[in-house]
Amino acid sequence: EVQVLQSGGGLVQPGGSLRLSCEASGFSFNTYAMTWVRQAPGKGLEWVSIISGDGVTTYYAESVKGRFAITRDNSKNTVFLYMNSLRGEDTAVYYCAKKRETESGSSHFDHWGQGTLVTVSS
Amino acid sequence: DIVMTQSPVTLSVSPGERGTLSCRASQSVRTNLVWYQQKPGQAPRLLIYGASTRATGVPARFSGSGSGTEFTLTISSLQSEDFAVYYCQQCEDWPLTFGGGTKVEIK
Repeated sequence: EVQVLQSGGGLVQPGGSLRLSCEASGFSFNTYAMTWVRQAPGKGLEWVSIISGDGVTTYYAESVKGRFAITRDNSKNTVFLYMNSLRGEDTAVYYCAKKRETESGSSHFDHWGQGTLVTVSS
Repeated sequence: DIVMTQSPVTLSVSPGERGTLSCRASQSVRTNLVWYQQKPGQAPRLLIYGASTRATGVPARFSGSGSGTEFTLTISSLQSEDFAVYYCQQCEDWPLTFGGGTKVEIK
């Protein structure tokens, strides 16, 4: 059974930093990309970042580029999101998810973590 | 960026009725279109990928169609557990983008 378990989050002041963790199990972790998606209170979903299975390739949303960094430790089946220079607009529930890609090249996020709330406020 | 526009914002449907949700892309995404369902306080759940393929465990009353820029999610006979928010997402190009969501509520 695939499981995606998140930790981290909490209250941080503007300009501060935070690290989110996401530990996965039940699949061959190093062969799947992992992603972060966030949801501001009462708002829709916003894709944040993604990292390839080998950790070599990363992509970021423009809104977090240069402030956030995604990494992974395949020996621990864990992906991280390092968030720096946090702003009020980064306040959201952050979800970690596993990316699956079909043989035809269509991708989707098939297993999601429970979400973790990040609040940026003084 | 590819902009995803969903309509309507809110869909009021009686249980047992058919619900039709639309998603439009600002440029072609071919069939690289995904639908998710989200209930309050829960993570999104994968429903449809590749525009029309149901994910494992998704009931047959959910169906997806479309290609290019116009997509539809149809719920043939709404059950009580289907009242939720539905999001479309394109995976054709970076950055990946979601639609604003359609809330399906009980009429």
